[in-house]
Amino acid sequence: DIQLTQSPSFLSASVGDRVTITCRASQGINSYLAWYQQKPGKAPKLLIYVASTLQSGVPSRFSGSGSGTDFTLTISSLQPEDFATYYCQQLNTYPFTFGPGTQVDIK
Amino acid sequence: QVQLVQSGAEVKKPGASVKVSCKASGYTFTDYYMHWVRQAPGQGLQWMGWINPNSGGTNYAQKFQGRVTMTRDTSISTAYMELSRLRSDDSAIYYCAREMGPGASDTSGYPFWGQGTLVTVSS
Repeated sequence: DIQLTQSPSFLSASVGDRVTITCRASQGINSYLAWYQQKPGKAPKLLIYVASTLQSGVPSRFSGSGSGTDFTLTISSLQPEDFATYYCQQLNTYPFTFGPGTQVDIK
Repeated sequence: QVQLVQSGAEVKKPGASVKVSCKASGYTFTDYYMHWVRQAPGQGLQWMGWINPNSGGTNYAQKFQGRVTMTRDTSISTAYMELSRLRSDDSAIYYCAREMGPGASDTSGYPFWGQGTLVTVSS
């Protein structure tokens, strides 16, 4: 199975901060990576797909980049509603796998 | 609008089976693959597999092979996930999630999710 590692596991940030989360795959996955946001008690929400395409309705402060094995999710200016856990998912090779998550908390 | 509505919470004993339903509305059910993802309490997300509602074809994660069965009833636009020989570590929220694009299995992730079904396995 393809392993995804995310860093950091936890980050504490302030409103207005620029935040970057990385996702590294144990082998190449082309650009078949998605990013999700999950808030407590809710289903995940798709933010980015095929590494860099912004899902409809998602604010433009979210952006994604990368290909192969290294990917990043950037929030250009953190807003109060962005405090959540973020997961990456690879959809290149079965079984599709998720990263362990990055919890973004209020400083 | 697309909606996925799942069945209610379940409590099962070890060794039993559970069947979770996911009723779809707002689109043509047979046009989009449905995936199942689970999340143990306080843990991350785990992909279980998909079903092609048009053909009934399935693709299961190796981890669940032999224990999971995904089916559908096109007459009521509902997908099902049955997990057998339940263990305590199967306690989790189970989600159905629809692919973005129609047709063959898509690589764009899941823009639509059910609300989740909590399955608790306890003696």
